Amino acid sequence: EAQVTQNPRYLITVTGKKLTVTCSQNMNHEYMSWYRQDPGLGLRQIYYSMNVEVTDKGDVPEGYKVSRKEKRNFPLILESPSPNQTSLYFCATKNTGLVNTGELFFGEGSRLTVL
Amino acid sequence: DAKTTQPNSMESNEEEPVHLPCNHSTISGTDYIHWYRQLPSQGPEYVIHGLTSNVNNRMASLAIAEDRKSSTLILHRATLRDAAVYYCILRDSNYGGSQGNLIFGKGTKLSVKP
Repeated sequence: EAQVTQNPRYLITVTGKKLTVTCSQNMNHEYMSWYRQDPGLGLRQIYYSMNVEVTDKGDVPEGYKVSRKEKRNFPLILESPSPNQTSLYFCATKNTGLVNTGELFFGEGSRLTVL
Repeated sequence: DAKTTQPNSMESNEEEPVHLPCNHSTISGTDYIHWYRQLPSQGPEYVIHGLTSNVNNRMASLAIAEDRKSSTLILHRATLRDAAVYYCILRDSNYGGSQGNLIFGKGTKLSVKP
């Protein structure tokens, strides 16, 4: 079964305490992406990765880092979380082969609260 | 990126058809029209996409205006499980699928009444 798995699903932390949200996909897709979702603002892209060792900023990258050391994993790193990073985070992946629909597959989300 | 405009919310009765509109007056010739939906407490899921011709799949139908400046997602018989936020998104096919990052707007919140 095609899956995008995020961990943790829920996390409450404090300002400044580094955390990592992991994302793993079993579809052998090259493209992976992180979004955050906030009330009234919709889904906004944080970072994306076209392939291993290739990452690019999305619309709201400030305060986040990512890495792509292997195809299946794309962790989101908050080096020094702040309350304005309290949000619902989604990881997504898609097939970027020559014949594809561009369909994005999303994880179930990680709800992060920074106190 | 070409933008889309959708109503903030719509209501429907169960087992009746629902027509969700989307305006995209600045669409380019290479933009695909994608629809996703997000059920409560879940990540978005793909519904349907098209370029010029109307499209049907097991979930919905997509009707695209002849000038492509608007489209309509059609749910033929709404169920309570169809209550979700529906997003209309444009994706530039010039990127051959390798880029063409999907830009999500605020979508339309569909409520379905029993």
